[in-house]
Amino acid sequence: NAGVTQTPKFRILKIGQSMTLQCTQDMNHNYMYWYRQDPGMGLKLIYYSVGAGITDKGEVPNGYNVSRSTTEDFPLRLELAAPSQTSVYFCASIRQLEAFFGQGTRLTVV
Amino acid sequence: AQTVTQSQPEMSVQEAETVTLSCTYDTSESNYYLFWYKQPPSRQMILVIRQEAYKQQNATENRFSVNFQKAAKSFSLKISDSQLGDTAMYFCAFMKGPGANSKLTFGKGITLSVRP
Repeated sequence: NAGVTQTPKFRILKIGQSMTLQCTQDMNHNYMYWYRQDPGMGLKLIYYSVGAGITDKGEVPNGYNVSRSTTEDFPLRLELAAPSQTSVYFCASIRQLEAFFGQGTRLTVV
Repeated sequence: AQTVTQSQPEMSVQEAETVTLSCTYDTSESNYYLFWYKQPPSRQMILVIRQEAYKQQNATENRFSVNFQKAAKSFSLKISDSQLGDTAMYFCAFMKGPGANSKLTFGKGITLSVRP
């Protein structure tokens, strides 16, 4: 099992560009999450999904979109990148009280 | 909404000594779970220990143990015999009981440095 795989690991975007952060898990978990981590702020929930076709907003959803067409994939879309979206992004899946995290994506918007 | 508070941004401890990291939380739920996660410089999130709220006994994992005070809504982590590899950020996290809204809520984290 690969667990939770996030791509890319690093990315630099220009203001106004768009991109998709990919997240895939091979554990057949229903619950998947996107967090962002800013220095001194912990991890903030952006969006989450409890199964294919079901998504919901977390604490900080503005500027992001998600989709969940399959159990395995939960991509996060940034449509118009802004400097405030410079952060480290984590995808996670949870099953039976155990969370599995991807390795994170460091995104810089300049 | 649940909140998790870690009021100490940084701590330092001498190798082989014991250190306690504090965490408080606020919830109206009766069924919930508490976690401590470790994040070393590699950014990987590693589960350190988990506590079920319905269990009175404090969880223990080798050198790591918790002091769970349910009435006070306090959940501190004690690291015994600190090692250099314990240097990392530590996050306290909360999760409601399994269901449609099960998601982890994190505190701001604390940076722990273990001195040789």
